[in-house]
Amino acid sequence: GAVVSQHPSWVICKSGTSVKIECRSLDFQATTMFWYRQFPKQSLMLMATSNEGSKATYEQGVEKDKFLINHASLTLSTLTVTSAHPEDSSFYICSARDPRVAYEQYFGPGTRLTVT
Amino acid sequence: TQLLEQSPQFLSIQEGENLTVYCNSSSVFSSLQWYRQEPGEGPVLLVTVVTGGEVKKLKRLTFQFGDARKDSSLHITAAQTGDTGLYLCAGALGSGTYKYIFGTGTRLKVLA
Repeated sequence: GAVVSQHPSWVICKSGTSVKIECRSLDFQATTMFWYRQFPKQSLMLMATSNEGSKATYEQGVEKDKFLINHASLTLSTLTVTSAHPEDSSFYICSARDPRVAYEQYFGPGTRLTVT
Repeated sequence: TQLLEQSPQFLSIQEGENLTVYCNSSSVFSSLQWYRQEPGEGPVLLVTVVTGGEVKKLKRLTFQFGDARKDSSLHITAAQTGDTGLYLCAGALGSGTYKYIFGTGTRLKVLA
């Protein structure tokens, strides 16, 4: 099956710094990728839709300037959490859609961000 | 606003018992998916249902999509300890969209 990787798998950073998370589709080209965040014992909340070569579409309530998304190639999308604060600590998960397969999206293993 | 409500929120049962998890909404979905997630990992797709009234079976798991495509259920027969996890439904709004909104989640624990 299709594989999506995320890097890093976990990161600890200090308050006020920025952190970049990468999402890669390893064996298919993903025209669309999605970014989610998940707080402990909660469900996934969609943050934004990332389309290759165009600006990301953010969900209501998600700050565009705080969560910068770049989808520069068909296999890579990045999420940068700028000026991170402790409340940004969360599990960030990406998914990628294989346009050859109807309906399915393939999830990455997630990135645990802890801001101290 | 949470579009997809799952019930129950938590469920603890003995091995061998049957259970049903519900996913309800007032919105109509073009497709609906069920996932299972282990702690610290990404969700794993179990099934996608597209047609109203559709029933799909995956070994001991039976999935049903409501006739009006607003709700779905997941039934597990003879639960096993390996079924323990977080079960999530996710619905896509509008035809041709692959943007899925996740439900509130059901945390299942199967005891030996």
